[in-house]
Amino acid sequence: EAGVAQSPRYKIIEKRQSVAFWCNPISGHATLYWYQQILGQGPKLLIQFQNNGVVDDSQLPKDRFSAERLKGVDSTLKIQPAKLEDSAVYLCASSLVGAGGTEAFFGQGTRLTVV
Amino acid sequence: AQTVTQSQPEMSVQEAETVTLSCTYDTSESDYYLFWYKQPPSRQMILVIRQEAYKQQNATENRFSVNFQKAAKSFSLKISDSQLGDAAMYFCAYRSVSSNTGKLIFGQGTTLQVKP
Repeated sequence: EAGVAQSPRYKIIEKRQSVAFWCNPISGHATLYWYQQILGQGPKLLIQFQNNGVVDDSQLPKDRFSAERLKGVDSTLKIQPAKLEDSAVYLCASSLVGAGGTEAFFGQGTRLTVV
Repeated sequence: AQTVTQSQPEMSVQEAETVTLSCTYDTSESDYYLFWYKQPPSRQMILVIRQEAYKQQNATENRFSVNFQKAAKSFSLKISDSQLGDAAMYFCAYRSVSSNTGKLIFGQGTTLQVKP
């Protein structure tokens, strides 16, 4: 079974530029998450999709971050314009359902460096 | 709001020995799930073990076991017969049952070093 795919693995941009990350979840997984992991910290949820609807985006900085999940499959997370403090690893995860003890499967993440 | 705390930034263990990683959490809920995830240098988070709060029996998965103390809000991970491949960052995580989201709330992580 293929895992969660993310691209790119690494990205370096200058502040005020824009950047986009792509995620392809495990086939059949209805729930998709984007987490931000700042160096030395645990991941923090940015947004959760159930199919193509948003379940939780309470910690998404909506003035600069946006995300979409077209047709309930792939997802894109965008930052525009980027700030230095956005430097982090962005992890995508998916699960069959978004509740209970269901395991969330993670991708390898995109390491973003803003200079 | 729920919080998860891992008070050990780094731990080390000799190969084949046993090590325990600590985790405490704060919640007013009575039903929830707790998880331990492993994050190697590849950055991909891998589920190690999970515990349902309403189950008193501690979960075990091969060399990994937990000590779940609900009243103390403590959830420690014991790794027996440590192997070099166990070296990684370990995260404790909480998930609410009552919430309609599957959000995982993570601790700060513990870096485990395994010495040959």
